[in-house]
Amino acid sequence: DIRMTQSPSSLSASVGDRVTITCRASQNIDTFLNWYQQKPGKAPNLLIYGAATLQSAVPSRFSGSGSGTDFTLTISSLQPEDFATYYCQQSFSTLITFGQGTRLAIK
Amino acid sequence: QVQLVQSGAEVKKPGSSVKVSCQASGGSFTVTWVRQAPGQGLEWMGRIMPFADRTTYAQKFQGRVTITADKSTSTVYMEMSGLRFEDTAVYYCARDSGSGSYFFIDLWGPGTLVTVSS
Repeated sequence: DIRMTQSPSSLSASVGDRVTITCRASQNIDTFLNWYQQKPGKAPNLLIYGAATLQSAVPSRFSGSGSGTDFTLTISSLQPEDFATYYCQQSFSTLITFGQGTRLAIK
Repeated sequence: QVQLVQSGAEVKKPGSSVKVSCQASGGSFTVTWVRQAPGQGLEWMGRIMPFADRTTYAQKFQGRVTITADKSTSTVYMEMSGLRFEDTAVYYCARDSGSGSYFFIDLWGPGTLVTVSS
């Protein structure tokens, strides 16, 4: 299986901050990388697919980049509703795998 | 509007089986199952393509999980046998979708809590 490793596992930031979360794949996955946001007690929500394509209705402050093995999710200016856990997920293999998650908390 | 409606919470004994249902309104599509243990991350279990009668399982769950579909009622089932305490989790069904060559999960059910307790 392709292993996905996110860093950091958690971070604290303030409203208005610029935040970057990284995701590394154990092998080349081209741009077959998706990002999800999950709030407590809720199902995940797709933010970005294909490493950089914003899903419909997702605010433009979210952006994704990367290819091969290294990827980033950037939130340009944190809003109160952005404090959540973020997961990357590879779709290069039919046996999809998720990163362990990055918990974004309010400083 | 497409929705995924899951069955209710379950409490099971170790060694028993559980069967969780997921009814999809609004079409036939690939359904994937993801679980999340308390305080833990997301774990993909497997998927079914009802229109092709094709299933794929994560190696970890191969032989212990069976995903089936009833096309007449647009319902997908996930059955897990030999339950262990560590199978306590919220089980999500979700829709696999795609754009071009990219695949992703774009619709999730509300989740079903399965608790394994003696």
